[in-house]
Amino acid sequence: EPEVTQTPSHQVTQMGQEVILRCVPISNHLYFYWYRQILGQKVEFLVSFYNNEISEKSEIFDDQFSVERPDGSNFTLKIRSTKLEDSAMYFCASGAGVSSQETQYFGPGTRLLVL
Amino acid sequence: GQNIDQPTEMTATEGAIVQINCTYQTSGFNGLFWYQQHAGEAPTFLSYNVLDGLEEKGRFSSFLSRSKGYSYLLLKELQMKDSASYLCAAPTDSNYQLIWGAGTKLIIKP
Repeated sequence: EPEVTQTPSHQVTQMGQEVILRCVPISNHLYFYWYRQILGQKVEFLVSFYNNEISEKSEIFDDQFSVERPDGSNFTLKIRSTKLEDSAMYFCASGAGVSSQETQYFGPGTRLLVL
Repeated sequence: GQNIDQPTEMTATEGAIVQINCTYQTSGFNGLFWYQQHAGEAPTFLSYNVLDGLEEKGRFSSFLSRSKGYSYLLLKELQMKDSASYLCAAPTDSNYQLIWGAGTKLIIKP
């Protein structure tokens, strides 16, 4: 069964450093998402991406964040200068349809720890 | 504003039935999702309701009442592996993102 994959599974970085989180969505899916979940808190939407551009982003997704689909398979989230409060689990998700009404399938997540 | 509410925690006994409620306030309505999340893992899809009524899928069923802004997830014949958080989520009126409830942590006792 196809699944969303994410790398790395864990990332430890120093405050101020750049990190790139990678995702490979399910191959025939059209809609891609990044979410984060701080330990013990709710899932928070960051950004949705369709047709090679951002569809919507939350207020969390400020200028320090960017997304890219550099080729036909990868979808990346870059945090330019990490802050302590960026420590969280980051989930990538993909969906077959053209809106969030379609089921989203989540990757296993990248646990980011900023020291 | 848009908001989703669900109880923080529930406890049930193995083999029993439990109902997890969710109330939502959204500007438009584009359906309601239930996801299961085990600790330290990603959410996994359980159900999607867009019409009123009960949809059954094995041991899990989901109910929706659009007029009341209310949904519930019904879990039957509880197993220890059902111990997890259950997340209620709804697409926003822009339809490009989901808003999420905080999740209901279900604890199952033998």
